[in-house]
Amino acid sequence: KAGVTQTPRYLIKTRGQQVTLSCSPISGHRSVSWYQQTPGQGLQFLFEYFSETQRNKGNFPGRFSGRQFSNSRSEMNVSTLELGDSALYLCASRPHSWILGIATGELFFGEGSRLTVL
Amino acid sequence: GESVGLHLPTLSVQEGDNSIINCAYSNSASDYFIWYKQESGKGPQFIIDIRSNMDKRQGQRVTVLLNKTVKHLSLQIAATQPGDSAVYFCAEKKEQAGTALIFGKGTTLSVSS
Repeated sequence: KAGVTQTPRYLIKTRGQQVTLSCSPISGHRSVSWYQQTPGQGLQFLFEYFSETQRNKGNFPGRFSGRQFSNSRSEMNVSTLELGDSALYLCASRPHSWILGIATGELFFGEGSRLTVL
Repeated sequence: GESVGLHLPTLSVQEGDNSIINCAYSNSASDYFIWYKQESGKGPQFIIDIRSNMDKRQGQRVTVLLNKTVKHLSLQIAATQPGDSAVYFCAEKKEQAGTALIFGKGTTLSVSS
């Protein structure tokens, strides 16, 4: 069974540009979450999508957005990039959303997209 | 501030020793805790989880202990191997945070032969 696939793995952008990152969850998984990982702040929750709907959003500015498609694939977008947006962006999937009250089970992470903003 | 943290940023052990990685949390309303392992260049990998109605759970070579009285979580790795070298994160899920996991900053475990 293929794992969570994220593309691109590495990318370099300049300040002010925008970027779109893609995530394909494990087949059959309907919940996709995004996390930002930096040395200073660690892993921070960005948002979760389930059945094409954003279920929860972390404490990030509106420049960070996402969406989920009917095949559960998800994209996140960061507009007007800042130096501080340089990070590893991780996508994770699981079969269900915790909003359904299923509070157990693994969260499967991809290997991330490493964004460098110059 | 951060609600989940680890007591030590680094831990060095010898191969074959038992390792204990600690984590303190501040929210007594958290109902679910998970340990993840992250190797260099990879995403976090699930190790073991525990619900708040339990105080101990065992897996293969790993044990998670939950002490709700002092809000403390620990991961014990038996017979630590070089392949266990990685960054270990604890994470909690808070009821009021919905579906988000709150991660600690991680402990880097180094295992020498």
